[in-house]
Amino acid sequence: EVHLLESGGGLVQPGGSLRLSCAASGFIFSKYAMSWVRQAPGKGLEWVSAISGSGYSADYPDSVKGRFTISRDNSKNMLYLQMSSLRAEDTARYYCAKESSDFWRGYSNYYGIDVWGQGTTVTVSS
Amino acid sequence: DIVMTQSPDSLAVSLGERATIKCKSSQSVLYSSNNKNYLAWYQQKPGQPPKLLIYWASTRESGVPARFSGSGSATDFTLTISSLQAEDVAVYYCHQYYTTPRTFGQGTKVEIK
Repeated sequence: EVHLLESGGGLVQPGGSLRLSCAASGFIFSKYAMSWVRQAPGKGLEWVSAISGSGYSADYPDSVKGRFTISRDNSKNMLYLQMSSLRAEDTARYYCAKESSDFWRGYSNYYGIDVWGQGTTVTVSS
Repeated sequence: DIVMTQSPDSLAVSLGERATIKCKSSQSVLYSSNNKNYLAWYQQKPGQPPKLLIYWASTRESGVPARFSGSGSATDFTLTISSLQAEDVAVYYCHQYYTTPRTFGQGTKVEIK
């Protein structure tokens, strides 16, 4: 069974940094792209980053580009999100998400995010 | 960016009745190479992460009850719950994975009337 377990959330001051981690199990981690998706309190879903199976390619929306960095360690089945210059509007629950394929290697069989973790909460406040 | 707009924002349906949610994308999400629409539907119950229901606009994920169905193409899509059950109370999101940035609809809250 596929399992994703996030950790690393907490309270951080504006301008601060935080690193989220996601431990993956139940699938061949390196064969799949992975993403982070966040949800502000009482709000909808916002995609914040994606990374290829190899870790060599990544993508971000403008809202976090230059402040967030996604990475992975395929030897440890771990996904990370390094967040810096944090703002109040980054307050959210952050979900680790498994993509249905490594879409950087081909798009035809890709069908989006198929598994989500339970999430970890990040609060940016002074 | 592709903007996803759902309607309505909320709806209340009697048990056993049909629930219909619309999703409109600001541009086509039809991938010409395979003629598939890169549109998914997720269900999110309170306190839980989203769960994949439908992908490629109309393909039901394994284990999802047959009362959930998706339809539509290009820019206009529909999620239908044919006979609402109590456990279907949730917020439903459409999502385009055609291009980045990936975007979601604002969500539709389904309740029991």
